[in-house]
Amino acid sequence: DTGVSQNPRHKITKRGQNVTFRCDPISEHNRLYWYRQTLGQGPEFLTYFQNEAQLEKSRLLSDRFSAERPKGSFSTLEIQRTEQGDSAMYLCASSLTTGLVEQYFGPGTRLTVT
Amino acid sequence: GESVGLHLPTLSVQEGDNSIINCAYSNSASDYFIWYKQESGKGPQFIIDIRSNMDKRQGQRVTVLLNKTVKHLSLQIAATQPGDSAVYFCAEKEGLGGYQKVTFGTGTKLQVIP
Repeated sequence: DTGVSQNPRHKITKRGQNVTFRCDPISEHNRLYWYRQTLGQGPEFLTYFQNEAQLEKSRLLSDRFSAERPKGSFSTLEIQRTEQGDSAMYLCASSLTTGLVEQYFGPGTRLTVT
Repeated sequence: GESVGLHLPTLSVQEGDNSIINCAYSNSASDYFIWYKQESGKGPQFIIDIRSNMDKRQGQRVTVLLNKTVKHLSLQIAATQPGDSAVYFCAEKEGLGGYQKVTFGTGTKLQVIP
């Protein structure tokens, strides 16, 4: 399978714990995006990388959230001191640089904070 | 599996009939629009796109119509099949190149009745 992959697919954690998610984009894609999706809503943009550079962060991305893409390939999204309001699906997408925006999404990581 | 369709407008269609899913967008500066399909437990999947200089674009069994005057987008699915059951999101983007932040609208759940 050469699509976008995300791990883990599901994560249950207790409030206050830290969690980290991983995204592996399509190999030739140098743009990578993180979104958050709550039930019944469309995905909301969180942050975006071009290669290893994080070029944009949404106001939704509080200081408890940090994302990295150290070698311009896979990316991690860490949430520190999780809160119940962080419960959501976290989606990763990737795209090429040139051309229009067809973003290819991964299956997401479902986070439940208890 | 994960349900993304809670609290969403729902369209029920008989198998074989045509489906029309509507979307109103808010940013008059948006110049690129995309329809995504999201099945339960999966990330959004690109269906079809349209630039703002077009008013209609056809794909395989799908047609997107754009009315910039009233900021309205629609997705028509011909001969709807059970596999079309999913949540459909419209998305918009301002700018055809460069940074590619995509803003998703509220989804519509399509239920195909066999």
